[in-house]
Amino acid sequence: ETGVTQTPRHLVMGMTNKKSLKCEQHLGHNAMYWYKQSAKKPLELMFVYSLEERVENNSVPSRFSPECPNSSHLFLHLHTLQPEDSALYLCASSQEGLPDRVNIQYFGAGTRLSVL
Amino acid sequence: GQNIDQPTEMTATEGAIVQINCTYQTSGFNGLFWYQQHAGEAPTFLSYNVLDGLEEKGRFSSFLSRSKGYSYLLLKELQMKDSASYLCAFMDSNYQLIWGAGTKLIIKP
Repeated sequence: ETGVTQTPRHLVMGMTNKKSLKCEQHLGHNAMYWYKQSAKKPLELMFVYSLEERVENNSVPSRFSPECPNSSHLFLHLHTLQPEDSALYLCASSQEGLPDRVNIQYFGAGTRLSVL
Repeated sequence: GQNIDQPTEMTATEGAIVQINCTYQTSGFNGLFWYQQHAGEAPTFLSYNVLDGLEEKGRFSSFLSRSKGYSYLLLKELQMKDSASYLCAFMDSNYQLIWGAGTKLIIKP
């Protein structure tokens, strides 16, 4: 148990569906991240929220829309996805800004997304 | 530019020692991380090196040479539960993690 919970664990959706991924962290951290993990590829950073402000958006298509209502919750809203978006989507959290502290990211187990 | 490289897959025997290498290139460096990821599970933090040298934590050790852009993760007394993917990542000048594709480690009895 890492203190970061993602739901659902598995999701199958059609290209015209709208769905949302949820992430909740119980670690008291002030930063949250969405990553995409495809087979045999490096983790791709999608979005970063620090103190509930989006600070990073790595050229992610607009069919992915993040939402961070508070420092413990992060959502990824999905609509009109493509088959190539099928992947494992990982959420992570960390504590930023503490001097002399290593910014370790703690991950959830991910949502395995299949787009048909 | 930035890049990071690690072997795709390695095989080792239970009870033995294995070394997983990671090489990287970057103009800005704020440390190197190793994570373990079992199939279907969350990546979990193993180690962090920011200075040259060896950091030991039980059966696992991690080494860094900043001048060579090189790190390795050393696993001793291998157990079947060590079968997993091992992810190497460095933190760049913007404090973003740049990840390798991971090394799948297969442990055989």
